[in-house]
Order: sequence, then structure tokens, then C-alpha cells
Amino acid sequence: QLQLQESGPGLVKPSETLSLTCTVSGGSIGSSHYYWGWIRQPPGEGLEWIGSIYHSGTTYYNPSLKSRVTISVDTSKRQFSLNLSSVTAADTAVYYCARHGALWFNGDYWGQGALVTVSS
Amino acid sequence: QSALTQPRSVSESPGQSVTISCTGTSSDVGGYNYVSWYQQHPGKAPQLVIYDVSRRPSGVPDRFSGSKSGNTASLTISGLQAEDEADYYCCSYAGSYTSNVFGTGTKVTVL
Repeated sequence: QLQLQESGPGLVKPSETLSLTCTVSGGSIGSSHYYWGWIRQPPGEGLEWIGSIYHSGTTYYNPSLKSRVTISVDTSKRQFSLNLSSVTAADTAVYYCARHGALWFNGDYWGQGALVTVSS
Repeated sequence: QSALTQPRSVSESPGQSVTISCTGTSSDVGGYNYVSWYQQHPGKAPQLVIYDVSRRPSGVPDRFSGSKSGNTASLTISGLQAEDEADYYCCSYAGSYTSNVFGTGTKVTVL
């Protein structure tokens, strides 16, 4: 059974960089069939797609976040990571990692989510 | 890139049917047959219930069905059960530069 698990600091200061890692177990992150994405959900609000990465390293970002987002993959560690720079309180959210089977998002496996609070 | 429009809430009695709409534009919902739907219970991660407009992942009850007409996609839950009470989100592909956009979310209440 494929499992995804987010990890990283739960508190980040304004203007700093938010960094999260998603570790994949029970399956290969290098499969040619799948993309690996990040989605966030501010408290009490809806979902927002942040971006996704293919095992080759090709990335796709939400245009509204593109200037601040970097997603990378390390297939040897079965991990992919999210960096979001210059954060503000508006970036406070639960961050989910997920697998999807095509360029369009159809996330069939999700991590449990990690709450990241931006505060001084 | 605006969020797709969903009704804030819908409610119905057990055993009845509810339909949730997801309205976008010709650049997203209307332009591609790549709409997915997610069920989210409080404090939990979303779960895929429909993908590619009307396809159902294995393990999802056939009470869940999806469709699309023009710029609006719909999720129908038939034979409503107490466990279906949750938030539901649609998501559509919007092209290679905009990529993916979620809906505003709908809370389904089972009366």
C-alpha cells in the first residue's frame, strides 16, 4: 500500500522560506506513470494546487505562486520537496503531498497533511 | 486563475440524492475532460471519488457519479448515507501554463 508522509518545521517566520519533504513508501517514486504534487489548505478554507513534479525533474507550478515555489525530487531517497520563499501569514496552511497519474491533477494517494504556521 | 464555483452547502435526507455543481470557463472545465472530485471529512486528507469527469476509482461506491455539460461539471451522490456528510471539492485541468484549479468547496449535510 502506497503511503506518503509530509515532514518539516511547523513554524516559520515571515519573510523566511518554508521547506517540506514528502517521503514515499510502499512504491517507487521513479515510476514513469506518476506525478507528485503539493496542495495546501488554509485553516477553514479550500484547497489550492501549488505544483507538481515528474520523476525526471520536470516541474509545473501554480502561476500565482510560481515566483516563490521550487519543487524538487530525490528518487534515491524516495522523497520530493517543497520550498516556498518569502512567506507571510497568508501562507499559513495545512500542506499535503499527493500522487497523481497524469499531468492534470487526479490525486489518488495523499499524505495526512502538515500544518505550517507563519508567525514571528 | 480563479477558483471554480461550487455551492457553499447542500443538504438532503438519507436515501435521497444530491448533486453538486462546479462551474468554470472554457479554459478549464469546458476545455478538458479532466475534472476530478474529492471528499474531505473534518481533519482528514481529501479522498478521490471521481476522476476524468466520470470515472470512479476502485473502492468508491457506485452511488458516486460524475458528469459534465459545457463549463459545468457535476457530482451526484445517490442513496445518501450518513458517512457521505463531508466537504466536496472539484478540480479541473486548465492547460499547461495554468495547470490545475480547485473549486471553492461544498459542504454536504445529511439531515
